[in-house]
Amino acid sequence: NAGVTQTPKFRILKIGQSMTLQCTQDMNHNYMYWYRQDPGMGLKLIYYSVGAGITDKGEVPNGYNVSRSTTEDFPLRLELAAPSQTSVYFCASAPRGSSTDTQYFGPGTRLTVL
Amino acid sequence: AQSVAQPEDQVNVAEGNPLTVKCTYSVSGNPYLFWYVQYPNRGLQFLLKYITGDNLVKGSYGFEAEFNKSQTSFHLKKPSALVSDSALYFCAVRRHMDSNYQLIWGAGTKLIIKP
Repeated sequence: NAGVTQTPKFRILKIGQSMTLQCTQDMNHNYMYWYRQDPGMGLKLIYYSVGAGITDKGEVPNGYNVSRSTTEDFPLRLELAAPSQTSVYFCASAPRGSSTDTQYFGPGTRLTVL
Repeated sequence: AQSVAQPEDQVNVAEGNPLTVKCTYSVSGNPYLFWYVQYPNRGLQFLLKYITGDNLVKGSYGFEAEFNKSQTSFHLKKPSALVSDSALYFCAVRRHMDSNYQLIWGAGTKLIIKP
């Protein structure tokens, strides 16, 4: 199993540009999450999904959109990039079940908006 | 409001010495508590978790953590540190009644193990 994969690894955007961060998991997990990690800060939840076709906002959703058309894929869309969105973005997944809370993380995407 | 505090930005320990990385939490109801580790330029990796039962939880790479309900703490420990333990450590919590598995994360503690 590849686990959770994210593309691209690095990206530089100009203000106002748009892009999609890709996330795919091959573990058949129902739950998927997008986080951002800013220097000196913990992870902030952007959006999450509890299954295909179901998404919900996390703590910091403004400026982002997501979709979940399949169990495997959970892309994150930035429509109008702003310098405040410069961050490292992590995708994570988790299986369903009360005793299986462990989240599995991808390697991250480092995004710079200039 | 739910929160997690990691009071130390950085912890320095000599190789072979015991290490402790501190975590305190605030959550209504019974908590689920987690420690994750992040090596440079990598995603987070699960270390251990407390759900219920024995207050001392053992995890990967020789780490353990002790749940203390009265002090609302979940400190990460290891009896003998290795240079390879140097990394960023995150504590996280969620309420066991939350069905969406949302975690609240601490800011992280950088652990530096010196040879």
